[in-house]
Amino acid sequence: DAGVIQSPRHEVTEMGQEVTLRCKPISGHDYLFWYRQTMMRGLELLIYFNNNVPIDDSGMPEDRFSAKMPNASFSTLKIQPSEPRDSAVYFCASSYSRGDTATNEKLFFGSGTQLSVL
Amino acid sequence: KQEVTQIPAALSVPEGENLVLNCSFTDSAIYNLQWFRQDPGKGLTSLLLIQSSQREQTSGRLNASLDKSSGRSTLYIAASQPGDSATYLCAVSLLTDSWGKLQFGAGTQVVVTP
Repeated sequence: DAGVIQSPRHEVTEMGQEVTLRCKPISGHDYLFWYRQTMMRGLELLIYFNNNVPIDDSGMPEDRFSAKMPNASFSTLKIQPSEPRDSAVYFCASSYSRGDTATNEKLFFGSGTQLSVL
Repeated sequence: KQEVTQIPAALSVPEGENLVLNCSFTDSAIYNLQWFRQDPGKGLTSLLLIQSSQREQTSGRLNASLDKSSGRSTLYIAASQPGDSATYLCAVSLLTDSWGKLQFGAGTQVVVTP
């Protein structure tokens, strides 16, 4: 398996523009997570899905952020309009269900998207 | 609110020495604790996962211990190698939190010199 695949790896955009980040989870995983990493706040969970359904979006900072998972193999995180304070590394991660074996509960992260909003 | 602290923030050792990385957390009602490795410009790789009922987990040169009552976990890396240079993060999952809502420490940056 190729692991969790994210695109693009780097995104540079101007304030006010729409940004779309993409993620393909590991096949068979039924949980998908979007995390954000900044120097100031470290890693924070933004939203997660179970079987393509959003379960907890309490970490989404503002209405400018939205996430979708139209099918088991694809998810997007959209920021519209983008602001300089959104600059961060955005990670997608996936896993099997909670309560399964310890190995299956591990989160597998993608390589991240480095977002810079000028 | 759960707080996860990692000490030291940075560590440099010569090749061959054993590494000891510390993680402490304030809320002992955890579901599990994971140790991750992060290389520059890359994602996180889960190294070890310890369930709250376990005391330790081992994988090759890595051993992680968990003392839930005192809110501590330690990651030991035996006979360090230059390839072990990376940032190591610990993360806890609370019983009362959403699944996957890991609380991360700030990490320990490790440099192993040849």
